[in-house]
Amino acid sequence: AQSVSQHNHHVILSEAASLELGCNYSYGGTVNLFWYVQYPGQHLQLLLKYFSGDPLVKGIKGFEAEFIKSKFSFNLRKPSVQWSDTAEYFCAVWGGSQGNLIFGKGTKLSVKP
Amino acid sequence: ETGVTQSPTHLIKTRGQQVTLRCSSQSGHNTVSWYQQALGQGPQFIFQYYREEENGRGNFPPRFSGLQFPNYSSELNVNALELDDSALYLCASSWTVTGNEQYFGPGTRLTVT
Repeated sequence: AQSVSQHNHHVILSEAASLELGCNYSYGGTVNLFWYVQYPGQHLQLLLKYFSGDPLVKGIKGFEAEFIKSKFSFNLRKPSVQWSDTAEYFCAVWGGSQGNLIFGKGTKLSVKP
Repeated sequence: ETGVTQSPTHLIKTRGQQVTLRCSSQSGHNTVSWYQQALGQGPQFIFQYYREEENGRGNFPPRFSGLQFPNYSSELNVNALELDDSALYLCASSWTVTGNEQYFGPGTRLTVT
């Protein structure tokens, strides 16, 4: 069965620190990859996506992610976090004939001002 | 463009009762997926509807059922509620059944006592 692993449950950073959140998936075929963000009290929003092409994708609010096929990874990065980035981040994978996304358990990011 | 809306926002039910949750998809989207998000977990796929037919189902028992209407809105019905059904129920809509990004609603928080 397909699965998605997010390595960190809770990450605490100070403002201006760099961020990298890990995501690994288990599926050998073609995948579409997503990062979603859930700000406190808000609904899930798409941060960025990878379907094909350049493995380095840029999303909203200065986030980027790199797809490394050989490592089955899609890590999320941001060079300098802000207090407003405090949220829960979910990695999700689509792979196969059905339309459902498979989500990781999420990483809670707390940014100290 | 109207986003995905869900009703009600919160719901409290007693074990053994039945519940119906509602979702209106984003304008132009013909596919609706339902997810269950337990506390501290990522969303888990329940099922998907495309053009009023179920198009895939996750590992949920038959007491979880759904409908999609000609205007692409959808319902999730849960019979014989159990305490473990307490969760945030998310509806997501998309343009196609496979691979595309999904747009999430704010969710319905169901508490079963």
